Amino acid sequence: DAGVTQSPTHLIKTRGQQVTLRCSPKSGHDTVSWYQQALGQGPQFIFQYYEEEERQRGNFPDRFSGHQFPNYSSELNVNALLLGDSALYLCASSWQKNIQYFGAGTRLSVL
Amino acid sequence: QKEVEQNSGPLSVPEGAIASLNCTYSDRGSQSFFWYRQYSGKSPELIMSIYSNGDKEDGRFTAQLNKASQYVSLLIRDSQPSDSATYLCAVVMNTGFQKLVFGTGTRLLVSP
Repeated sequence: DAGVTQSPTHLIKTRGQQVTLRCSPKSGHDTVSWYQQALGQGPQFIFQYYEEEERQRGNFPDRFSGHQFPNYSSELNVNALLLGDSALYLCASSWQKNIQYFGAGTRLSVL
Repeated sequence: QKEVEQNSGPLSVPEGAIASLNCTYSDRGSQSFFWYRQYSGKSPELIMSIYSNGDKEDGRFTAQLNKASQYVSLLIRDSQPSDSATYLCAVVMNTGFQKLVFGTGTRLLVSP
């Protein structure tokens, strides 16, 4: 049984570029949440998707957008990258409002 | 006031000792509480979940919840060097959605 999978593992971009991160939830899970973790900090909630809709959003600008597909997989898009967007991006999946399990993360470096 | 607060540490304990990690939260209506372990450069791994006042034990780990004091703790008995990691406290606030709010984490160092 595959767990939560994220791709790519690492990514290097330059300021102003756009990036797309991908997540496949654990089998049987229908809800995907995205978190940003800066160095030395706890993860910060970006948004959550359920039934292909954004259900809740954290305090992140509109440059951060997402999508959930009918197979429950999800994408996180970040436009106009800033140096401060450098972080570990974590995807977590759950079955509705139950416990969230994290993928290995995508480490984004913005130069 | 931060929504979830933890001492950043490091908390240093010798091998075999009990490590005690603490967390306080601001939303009195919070219902779900979690402890995640995160090794350097890795993603958070769920260790314990607790929903009711009192203690919950799982192997060497015990989670303790006191909603009146808005306090949750994690005890690690017989600490091992492999327990050295950052421990993240996460709370689901009373928003109706399963949004995890994390503390900054406590770094635990277990010396042989």
